[in-house]
Amino acid sequence: EVHLLESGGDLAQPRGSLRVSCEASGFTFGSYAMAWVRQAPGKGLEWVSAVSGGGGHTAYADSVKGRFTISRDNSKNTLYLQMNSLRVEDTAVYYCARLTIPYAVADFFDSWGQGTLVTVSS
Amino acid sequence: EIVMTQSPATLSVSPGERATLSCRASESVSTNVAWYQQKPGQAPRLLISAASTRATGIPARFSGSASGTDFTLTISSLQSEDFAVYSCQQYNHWPPTFGQGTKVEIK
Repeated sequence: EVHLLESGGDLAQPRGSLRVSCEASGFTFGSYAMAWVRQAPGKGLEWVSAVSGGGGHTAYADSVKGRFTISRDNSKNTLYLQMNSLRVEDTAVYYCARLTIPYAVADFFDSWGQGTLVTVSS
Repeated sequence: EIVMTQSPATLSVSPGERATLSCRASESVSTNVAWYQQKPGQAPRLLISAASTRATGIPARFSGSASGTDFTLTISSLQSEDFAVYSCQQYNHWPPTFGQGTKVEIK
């Protein structure tokens, strides 16, 4: 059974940094592209970033480009999102999600973690 | 980017009744649309991909259809566990985008 477990969500200051992680199990991690999708309080889902199975290809939403960095360690079955220059509008539950193919292209998400809450506030 | 517009925002339905949820894309997305169910405090769950293909383990009462840029999720006979928020997503164009969700509540 696919299992995705996020961690690292916390309260951060505007212009601060935070790293969230997602530990995967139940499947061959490196064979799948992975993504971060967020949901602000009371709002819809927003795709944030994706990384290919091998980690060599990444993509970002315009709203986070230049501030967030996605990465993965396939030896540890773990996905990361480094968030710098945080803004109040980055406040959201961050979900990690599995794409159905190894490539970080537009795709749907067949498995999701429970999410980790990031709050940006002074 | 493609805008996915869902309607209605809230749908009040009695158990056992049919629920019809709509999602309209701002331009053609072929049939590259997925539907997700989300209950409070839980992760989204994939229901439908390719507009009409049920995901593994999804009951047959859930069905999806497409007509041009209009997509429909139908729940044929609502069960108590089906009251939740449903979101559509297009994955035909970069970046993938979601609708704002339809909340299905008990009437």
